[in-house]
Amino acid sequence: DTEVTQTPKHLVMGMTNKKSLKCEQHMGHRAMYWYKQKAKKPPELMFVYSYEKLSINESVPSRFSPECPNSSLLNLHLHALQPEDSALYLCASSSRQGVVGEQFFGPGTRLTVL
Amino acid sequence: DAKTTQPPSMDCAEGRAANLPCNHSTISGNEYVYWYRQIHSQGPQYIIHGLKNNETNEMASLIITEDRKSSTLILPHATLRDTAVYYCIVRVADFGNEKLTFGTGTRLTIIP
Repeated sequence: DTEVTQTPKHLVMGMTNKKSLKCEQHMGHRAMYWYKQKAKKPPELMFVYSYEKLSINESVPSRFSPECPNSSLLNLHLHALQPEDSALYLCASSSRQGVVGEQFFGPGTRLTVL
Repeated sequence: DAKTTQPPSMDCAEGRAANLPCNHSTISGNEYVYWYRQIHSQGPQYIIHGLKNNETNEMASLIITEDRKSSTLILPHATLRDTAVYYCIVRVADFGNEKLTFGTGTRLTIIP
């Protein structure tokens, strides 16, 4: 299994809603990432988890709350988002073994905030 | 991480070699050159990486100049499925602290 899966594929939410994005990998990777990609822009790193601990937070607003419950699962909890948070949210994972620096990306969750 | 410069767009005829350049004149000695691509509506995909020597895998070849200030990704026989945005990224390979900083990339269009 060389896939990173993300659910849901699409999400529409209001500014007062609370929702969560889910990412899963079963490759035994011990680093996982969240990226945000606005339309026609490159992906931007949000968070890095290494061995289930948060290692990088790129000054992301607190309305985005990451969680890594175990080595295979990564969540992104969303609360009180703004319309400008509408974007494609990408999850990725990587391993210390194999190609160093190779990140495997999921297909993303396309989020629309109304 | 060092900054990279890529042309915003390129066209290539199907079946020909696609050569995508990248400038990284401020690269440090311990920084690798990585290439990723993103096909429309998909997540980015790793292609290849290198430090000093030229590299080849089943997808592409990477040519790095001797001074390491620039590199070229070569897709030897481009197909329509190679139409994508190609990102050149320069960074230290540091597991668990990996920041992939994507630039604006090159939008490669393969022409039938």
